[in-house]
Amino acid sequence: GNSVTQMEGPVTLSEEAFLTINCTYTATGYPSLFWYVQYPGEGLQLLLKATKADDKGSNKGFEATYRKETTSFHLEKGSVQVSDSAVYFCALSVLNTGNQFYFGTGTSLTVIP
Amino acid sequence: DTEVTQTPKHLVMGMTNKKSLKCEQHMGHRAMYWYKQKAKKPPELMFVYSYEKLSINESVPSRFSPECPNSSLLNLHLHALQPEDSALYLCASSQVLGGGGYTFGSGTRLTVV
Repeated sequence: GNSVTQMEGPVTLSEEAFLTINCTYTATGYPSLFWYVQYPGEGLQLLLKATKADDKGSNKGFEATYRKETTSFHLEKGSVQVSDSAVYFCALSVLNTGNQFYFGTGTSLTVIP
Repeated sequence: DTEVTQTPKHLVMGMTNKKSLKCEQHMGHRAMYWYKQKAKKPPELMFVYSYEKLSINESVPSRFSPECPNSSLLNLHLHALQPEDSALYLCASSQVLGGGGYTFGSGTRLTVV
């Protein structure tokens, strides 16, 4: 089946620290992988995506590489800011499989000055 | 236009009320989704529409009734809700079913009293 396992939170970092949020997946077929971010009181925003093995998605200083050999899509940022405080969801979808868009449990990040 | 617009942003309703949530997108997406999100949890799929036809109903109680009047609009009609139905209701759309990443609206924060 399809599923996403995401690093448990909450995570608290100091400003300018390095961030890694782990995400691994299982999938039938060839999934696309996503990171969504949810700021307090808001909906989900697509942060980045990768649609095939070895693709690197990047946006706003965040990066994630689609690693088929380790079935992983870890989110990284070299220097976090207070404004990055949010909940981050890893997700996958498999084209034309009757939705199926699978979310991880979410990781809450708090960045302190 | 690259947005999904949801109205209202906040809604408080009594258990005997009838209300509707609205969702609109003008990106030409042919798949639209309703999700329910409780605090500190990932979104849970409720309904999927593909080409204006109901494709998936994830065993949602009949007090929730979806409607897709056209390819740009998605409604969720609410009747006789329970306090445990209080949550953030998110609408999303994608180009086709399950593919390409979802664009989410900012949600309707529903409180049932």
